[in-house]
Amino acid sequence: DADVTQTPRNRITKTGKRIMLECSQTKGHDRMYWYRQDPGLGLRLIYYSFDVKDINKGEISDGYSVSRQAQAKFSLSLESAIPNQTALYFCATSEAGGPVETQYFGPGTRLLVL
Amino acid sequence: DQQVKQNSPSLSVQEGRISILNCDYTNSMFDYFLWYKKYPAEGPTFLISISSIKDKNEDGRFTVFLNKSAKHLSLHIVPSQPGDSAVYFCAATMVSGFQKLVFGTGTRLLVSP
Repeated sequence: DADVTQTPRNRITKTGKRIMLECSQTKGHDRMYWYRQDPGLGLRLIYYSFDVKDINKGEISDGYSVSRQAQAKFSLSLESAIPNQTALYFCATSEAGGPVETQYFGPGTRLLVL
Repeated sequence: DQQVKQNSPSLSVQEGRISILNCDYTNSMFDYFLWYKKYPAEGPTFLISISSIKDKNEDGRFTVFLNKSAKHLSLHIVPSQPGDSAVYFCAATMVSGFQKLVFGTGTRLLVSP
């Protein structure tokens, strides 16, 4: 079984709709992240959470919100989806400690906003 | 402002030859660099990393070279195999404080038999 899972894997929605992307992990890591990937732009950080009570904005948090329901679950919401939020979204986890933490990524959710 | 750049969007190599993927960065505060590999319909997976105190790190067929004065790093794959065909992302970070990864735009490598 995958250590980091994302649901749904694909989603089509309409402008103005609220949607939620979910991420679950069985790695036991405290830190979780949400990224988006756009063609020609690489991966950009939306939000990150160091534990259930610690949530922080990344570089492109406008239009998004998150919820850390438990150590293993981190959800990303688009309050009112717009077409330029069409992208590939990745969840990632890491374990605190060591000089640099390796991040482990989920398989991604492909979102299309019409 | 793209702090980490991968100027080659794609690279084609024959099986058995060397693949060289390049990455440039602009922020001199970066002191740790990573390469991630991504297959279609999968998330990126960590491949190899290098600290700024080194100029080379090797792991099997994969070697990363760092030239701090040029703010340039490269990933060498020798010999290349068809299974290496994937998108490769370079990422950079600062060890102190929160380790936010700054990713490059990726290079698609195609290794043909």
